[in-house]
Amino acid sequence: NAGVTQTPKFRILKIGQSMTLQCTQDMNHNYMYWYRQDPGMGLKLIYYSVGAGITDKGEVPNGYNVSRSTTEDFPLRLELAAPSQTSVYFCASSKGLAYNGNGDEQFFGPGTRLTVL
Amino acid sequence: AQTVTQSQPEMSVQEAETVTLSCTYDTSESDYYLFWYKQPPSRQMILVIRQEAYKQQNATENRFSVNFQKAAKSFSLKISDSQLGDAAMYFCAYRSLPSGSARQLTFGSGTQLTVLP
Repeated sequence: NAGVTQTPKFRILKIGQSMTLQCTQDMNHNYMYWYRQDPGMGLKLIYYSVGAGITDKGEVPNGYNVSRSTTEDFPLRLELAAPSQTSVYFCASSKGLAYNGNGDEQFFGPGTRLTVL
Repeated sequence: AQTVTQSQPEMSVQEAETVTLSCTYDTSESDYYLFWYKQPPSRQMILVIRQEAYKQQNATENRFSVNFQKAAKSFSLKISDSQLGDAAMYFCAYRSLPSGSARQLTFGSGTQLTVLP
């Protein structure tokens, strides 16, 4: 199992450009999440999904969109990049549903470092 | 909403010694999970240890143990026999228990641990 994979690893955008951060998991997890980590801070939830076709906002959703057409993939879209979106983005997944064993451990991808200039 | 506070931005420890990282949290819930994550320079988020709030016994994982004080809402991490590979940013995180919740993690701001040879 590759676990959670993210592409690209690094990206530099100009203000106003758009891009999609890709996230794929091969563990057949129902729940998927997008977090952002600003310098010197903990992770904050952007969006999450409890299954294919179902998404919801997290703590900091403004400026982002998501979709979940399959169990495996959960892309994050930035439509009009702004300097405030300079951050490291982490995708994570967990079994979800009624599973509370092991605290429904979240497995994280390696992150995407995004710079908006 | 829950909050997680890590009051020590930086800590250092001599190799082979013991260090304790502090974490406090605020919640009105009675059942929840607490986690410690390690983030080395590679940025990968690695689960170190978890604690179920309904369990009185403190969790241990090899050299890592926690001191969970539910009434005080305190959740500290003790690393024994510190090794150079323990150097990383450590995050404390909270997750609600109910299966109907979003299951997202709420993170503290992190503690950067340096291990001195």
